[in-house]
Amino acid sequence: EPEVTQTPSHQVTQMGQEVILRCVPISNHLYFYWYRQILGQKVEFLVSFYNNEISEKSEIFDDQFSVERPDGSNFTLKIRSTKLEDSAMYFCGDAAELNYGYTFGSGTRLTVV
Amino acid sequence: KNEVEQSPQNLTAQEGEFITINCSYSVGISALHWLQQHPGGGIVSLFMLSSGKKKHGRLIATINIQEKHSSLHITASHPRDSAVYICASSGSRLTFGEGTQLTVNP
Repeated sequence: EPEVTQTPSHQVTQMGQEVILRCVPISNHLYFYWYRQILGQKVEFLVSFYNNEISEKSEIFDDQFSVERPDGSNFTLKIRSTKLEDSAMYFCGDAAELNYGYTFGSGTRLTVV
Repeated sequence: KNEVEQSPQNLTAQEGEFITINCSYSVGISALHWLQQHPGGGIVSLFMLSSGKKKHGRLIATINIQEKHSSLHITASHPRDSAVYICASSGSRLTFGEGTQLTVNP
């Protein structure tokens, strides 16, 4: 069964450093998403991406964050100048069509120290 | 703003019991998702439904659009069903509930 692949599974970084979280969506899916889950809290929406541009972003997704699809297959989330409160599990998700079923990656656990 | 509420937050059952997890949402939505999250953190999609009822194995999901309410049922529960079950409403994005931690004891 097709799956969404996320790398790395764990990342520890120093506060102030930049991190790039990577996702390989299912090949014929068109809608891509990043969500995050701070430990003990509910999953929160960060950003959606369609047709090579951001279609929607939450208030969390400020100038510290960026997304891109550099080579037509990978979908990346970059966090600049990480803060302690960026520590969370970050999930990539995709869907074949809008309001279609989602497939999620297994997540990247980011720890900022 | 859509709010998604789940109950109960925690549920402990004996193997074989019938389990129900409830979800309510505050505004009209295009679909409601039920998801499963295992201790490692990964999220698996169980159901997406916009009306009526869906069944997959021992899992059944129902939705009442008028009452803005959905339920997830597990029949003949088993310890391997132990996980966090999350409902999420669908519009242009998913809005997640807090999740229900289910523990099924042998």
